Amino acid sequence: SQQGEEDPQALSIQEGENATMNCSYKTSINNLQWYRQNSGRGLVHLILIRSNEREKHSGRLRVTLDTSKKSSSLLITASRAADTASFFCATADYGNNRLAFGKGNQVVVIP
Amino acid sequence: EAGVAQSPRYKIIEKRQSVAFWCNPISGHATLYWYQQILGQGPKLLIQFQNNGVVDDSQLPKDRFSAERLKGVDSTLKIQPAKLEDSAVYLCASSRLGSYNEQFFGPGTRLTVL
Repeated sequence: SQQGEEDPQALSIQEGENATMNCSYKTSINNLQWYRQNSGRGLVHLILIRSNEREKHSGRLRVTLDTSKKSSSLLITASRAADTASFFCATADYGNNRLAFGKGNQVVVIP
Repeated sequence: EAGVAQSPRYKIIEKRQSVAFWCNPISGHATLYWYQQILGQGPKLLIQFQNNGVVDDSQLPKDRFSAERLKGVDSTLKIQPAKLEDSAVYLCASSRLGSYNEQFFGPGTRLTVL
């Protein structure tokens, strides 16, 4: 099944810096979603970008989608210690709402 | 609105025992999902319900896993008998009817099989 793969797998940055994560996938998709997971908790939806969109913003988050390269990036600006979490991209195929998740990026923001 | 509820939060069993997990989705959400998340990996879909019907169970190991969603609301996921490799977090999620909707996740049940 379709699965996104994130890069880098682990990222450690200083508070205030920007964090950028990339996700690649293999087949045609309807949309791509980014989720956040704090340690020991469930996933929280961050943003959804449709296949006909190229860029989307939500607060300090900026997501891009390049369907020709089958890749997406998530940028978190002005990171905070509270942003420490794992971030997953998930792709949705046409015709259903089944999500295929990547392995995730672990981001640590050092105060 | 209240979130997705799951219980128990933690469960430790020995291999070959049985275990059941419960999920109560967000009120009004017609679609319910069960995922398995092994440590260090992303969630993997086990089964998807729409109301009380199964939409996708292609990745459910049906020889030992079963799930039901009676009355189209609460759902239970059962493992019988459990194996060591079933140790994982089991996540329940729900979404509104219709395709391509945001999924809302519960806190998960962490299962350890000894």
